[in-house]
Amino acid sequence: VQLVQSGPELRKPGDSLKISCQHSGDAFTKSWIAWVRQMPGKGLEWVGIIYPGDSDTRYSPSFRGQVTISVDKSISTAYLHWNSLQASDTGIYFCAAPPRDYYGYFATWGQGTLVTVSS
Amino acid sequence: IALTQSPGTLSLFPGERATLSCRASQSVTSSLLAWYQQKPGQAPRLLIYATSRRATGIPDRFSGSGSGTDFTLTISRLEPEDFALYYCQQYGSPLALTFGGGTKVEIK
Repeated sequence: VQLVQSGPELRKPGDSLKISCQHSGDAFTKSWIAWVRQMPGKGLEWVGIIYPGDSDTRYSPSFRGQVTISVDKSISTAYLHWNSLQASDTGIYFCAAPPRDYYGYFATWGQGTLVTVSS
Repeated sequence: IALTQSPGTLSLFPGERATLSCRASQSVTSSLLAWYQQKPGQAPRLLIYATSRRATGIPDRFSGSGSGTDFTLTISRLEPEDFALYYCQQYGSPLALTFGGGTKVEIK
């Protein structure tokens, strides 16, 4: 399994943005996919997680209402979406997946998408 | 569940033993705790899951132990490629996964 993420983004405060994570292999609908943020020079923060099979989605309390996680099963891709970016959203966003049929720990990671929000 | 890692930085020579600590604010259900390694400019890499199980391809110099609220990652003999950041993560609370703040292992 590989996770390939979309490229770096530079946006202004108030902009909307959707970044993507494409899953290779045939187990997309049977494997949870999470998003993890890393702010510049800081540690890892869990954003949320989705099960593509039924779109069961769970958010960290810190991110609930700030972002939306979704999937498009037809192209094995997960998304992280913002309606209105803030400067504090700047960071690297990784998608990550546990082994098929497992939950919670992440054996496979995408390469990361750098999101920069600046006026 | 909040995770506190210590020390913040560990300065050691190659060949030495590294002991990294991860303390949880409450008991981690079923010892569902993982460890990751991250190098500059790279994504994290899974080392250990379920407290003590090594992920695929991880050398046996890496080992994990612990239960309840106290967990340890041990690197028996540091190789040059082991100098990096290390994070613990609990997944015993499925609606609130959390990471520790990280420990940097640097060359002395």
